Amino acid sequence: GNSVTQMEGPVTLSEEAFLTINCTYTATGYPSLFWYVQYPGEGLQLLLKATKADDKGSNKGFEATYRKETTSFHLEKGSVQVSDSAVYFCALSDPGNTPLVFGKGTRLSVIA
Amino acid sequence: DTAVSQTPKYLVTQMGNDKSIKCEQNLGHDTMYWYKQDSKKFLKIMFSYNNKELIINETVPNRFSPKSPDKAHLNLHINSLELGDSAVYFCASSQVTDGNTIYFGEGSWLTVV
Repeated sequence: GNSVTQMEGPVTLSEEAFLTINCTYTATGYPSLFWYVQYPGEGLQLLLKATKADDKGSNKGFEATYRKETTSFHLEKGSVQVSDSAVYFCALSDPGNTPLVFGKGTRLSVIA
Repeated sequence: DTAVSQTPKYLVTQMGNDKSIKCEQNLGHDTMYWYKQDSKKFLKIMFSYNNKELIINETVPNRFSPKSPDKAHLNLHINSLELGDSAVYFCASSQVTDGNTIYFGEGSWLTVV
């Protein structure tokens, strides 16, 4: 079945540091890939997505590239801010009306 | 306007009670979901409805009963609440024509005491 594996946290970084959160997936078809962010006490917000191989999703300085050859969708940001502190979820969805399969989430803490 | 709205946001109730969480989406989506997030932040699909029809029903106790009166609403009723039901419940919706991107509500924090 489909699955998503993302690096375990927590990840603690200083402000302006470079961020990478690794995500790899297993899927039978050609899934769409997503990163969602959950700020403390809030729901999940779509951060970015990519629907086919070599697509790059980007938003708010974050980006991730759909790599079919390595089945990966790593999240990166060049310079994190304290306001980026949140839990980040990698997810995939097969074509059609299938629900997202989520990774276990990675908690990021950015300190000033 | 909130795209996916669910109520109540917080709910504290005693074991054995019955409670409902309501969800509405104004995005015109055909598919709606309920997800459960446990204390470790793990998200798991519970149910999925497409045009009011149940299409996914994961291994969930039958104390949980979803109801979709129309494609814009998907409510979750829970009977005989147990301590282990304490979690955050997220409603969500999607549309195939939008690349199946799922949009979430803000969550309902359920605490069973």
